[in-house]
Amino acid sequence: GAGVSQSPSNKVTEKGKDVELRCDPISGHTALYWYRQSLGQGLEFLIYFQGNSAPDKSGLPSDRFSAERTGGSVSTLTIQRTQQEDSAVYLCASSSGGGQNTYEQYFGPGTRLTVT
Amino acid sequence: GDSVTQMEGPVTLSEEAFLTINCTYTATGYPSLFWYVQYPGEGLQLLLKATKADDKGSNKGFEATYRKETTSFHLEKGSVQVSDSAVYFCALSDFNGALIFGKGTTLSVSS
Repeated sequence: GAGVSQSPSNKVTEKGKDVELRCDPISGHTALYWYRQSLGQGLEFLIYFQGNSAPDKSGLPSDRFSAERTGGSVSTLTIQRTQQEDSAVYLCASSSGGGQNTYEQYFGPGTRLTVT
Repeated sequence: GDSVTQMEGPVTLSEEAFLTINCTYTATGYPSLFWYVQYPGEGLQLLLKATKADDKGSNKGFEATYRKETTSFHLEKGSVQVSDSAVYFCALSDFNGALIFGKGTTLSVSS
């Protein structure tokens, strides 16, 4: 079956512009997670959705970052007024359960964001 | 807060050598522990997991045992192959299931 998909796969933007990154989770997965992978910081958790709600936004690095999920499916991560330090690979993962869990998270291929 | 520390790489081995990648964690609760692998040009995928103390996770010849007394989850394989060359991440899950990752260890296996 289809895995987690993300678009675009690559995005180059100028400093100060807004960007939107999209994640399509595996159908039926209720939990959705966003992570960021950068050379300096490694893999960092950003935000967790259970259904359309985000009970944990603790990893968002600043108020320029926001995310939403609609219909319990697609999620969009928005970065406003991008900065060079936002350059990273943004990963999305979904799982069939959330909370303190042992459910496997399935990762998408990521969106490589480059801010020039 | 919760954290994961794993050995720095790169680790360079010859085929059929024994592999150990050390991982220790700090957590206030009783997290589940994971090893994820990222093969060149591919996405992150789960390699193995353990959900409670003394559990052993295993997959593709890799093993790791959840040691609560030493807060460790070291990854081992008895005989590595060239195809095992990848980046390995140790991780724990917090109360929301969000993964907290170590920095990653690059393994390079030569024939």
